[in-house]
Amino acid sequence: GQNIDQPTEMTATEGAIVQINCTYQTSGFNGLFWYQQHAGEAPTFLSYNVLDGLEEKGRFSSFLSRSKGYSYLLLKELQMKDSASYLCAVREWDNNDMRFGAGTRLTVKP
Amino acid sequence: NAGVTQTPKFQVLKTGQSMTLQCAQDMNHEYMSWYRQDPGMGLRLIHYSVGAGITDQGEVPNGYNVSRSTTEDFPLRLLSAAPSQTSVYFCASSYGQGTDTQYFGPGTRLTVL
Repeated sequence: GQNIDQPTEMTATEGAIVQINCTYQTSGFNGLFWYQQHAGEAPTFLSYNVLDGLEEKGRFSSFLSRSKGYSYLLLKELQMKDSASYLCAVREWDNNDMRFGAGTRLTVKP
Repeated sequence: NAGVTQTPKFQVLKTGQSMTLQCAQDMNHEYMSWYRQDPGMGLRLIHYSVGAGITDQGEVPNGYNVSRSTTEDFPLRLLSAAPSQTSVYFCASSYGQGTDTQYFGPGTRLTVL
């Protein structure tokens, strides 16, 4: 099974940088996903990591360390529209299950 | 492409009633899944399917049935609704399973009284 932990809430200022951490325990790691979910809407895909290192996609970057069971999502040049929940999810090799963390609710303030 | 569609958007049931939540996708995705989302608990996998005619249980399958007679459709049936099934239900699909991105439907908000 998996434990996936991420902070419940974070607050940041418009234009700033914020890092959302995710730690996980898994018996057979097969990839880590980050999703964004605005209130009342469906999750949308942000990033995917399966190898150690940093994946950059515009203002968003995601980092993975498999040995430490650790990932972070980095959001740069924060905008008000970035206020949302950010979900960390891990997939395992030995089953088709994808487990989600409870999500981090980010509030961006002017 | 409409992507992943779900009906209804909202539903209120009484305890003991049964109903089917509909999910369809027009992207020719093989992999489809159902999640429920509850406050403070994140998304939890109910059932999934790796292709037409094949279904399997996820983390929280009790009280739910699924079938996959076509590639496009993956309905979720609540056999006898209970208040504990009050939740937001999301259907998702992807081309494959492993590393493929999942696309989520808009969700169905279900209340069981």
